[in-house]
Amino acid sequence: DGGITQSPKYLFRKEGQNVTLSCEQNLNHDAMYWYRQDPGQGLRLIYYSQIVNDFQKGDIAEGYSVSREKKESFPLTVTSAQKNPTAFYLCATLPRQSSMNTEAFFGQGTRLTVV
Amino acid sequence: DQQVKQNSPSLSVQEGRISILNCDYTNSMFDYFLWYKKYPAEGPTFLISISSIKDKNEDGRFTVFLNKSAKHLSLHIVPSQPGDSAVYFCAAPGGGTSYGKLTFGQGTILTVHP
Repeated sequence: DGGITQSPKYLFRKEGQNVTLSCEQNLNHDAMYWYRQDPGQGLRLIYYSQIVNDFQKGDIAEGYSVSREKKESFPLTVTSAQKNPTAFYLCATLPRQSSMNTEAFFGQGTRLTVV
Repeated sequence: DQQVKQNSPSLSVQEGRISILNCDYTNSMFDYFLWYKKYPAEGPTFLISISSIKDKNEDGRFTVFLNKSAKHLSLHIVPSQPGDSAVYFCAAPGGGTSYGKLTFGQGTILTVHP
């Protein structure tokens, strides 16, 4: 069945390590997004991509990197430059063109903890 | 610059009463808005949307109102149920028919007491 798969659900990282969060979709949506949620806060946009091989920085891109080599996949790498990476990370998708009944679909999230 | 704002961090209502969650925006190019519900440690789920060509959209217990002149929208839940307790986000795509950047408000924690 169609949907968005984020993996892993829980991830532990040592300080100074890079880690990569996976987001895969089979909805055939063009646009993909990465958000971060901290306790008691809203969803802040890290990166987004509207088409393969192209992506834009969101509001808090520093310390993160992404790639979009395939339409189905939009992995997020949390680098050692990200000073406070412990958070809940969400991936979302949208078709490129909106319609009156279009909505963004979200994955179930990855909780990243620095140990 | 926070283009989508939810100024009430939390709201508490009694079961059976109306819940009203508010959202303000600053970008007049926004022409489509979405509301999401989120439980802890889960991804948000879509609730209801509204286009700028309408001022109201209703789906069961959920109604969204849009006041374009005030750049304000609100989500009404009637009657409120304990299962509605969650965080509610409003969101707006970048503008026009192409979604582009999808911006969320800070969220409002709704608690419905039995």
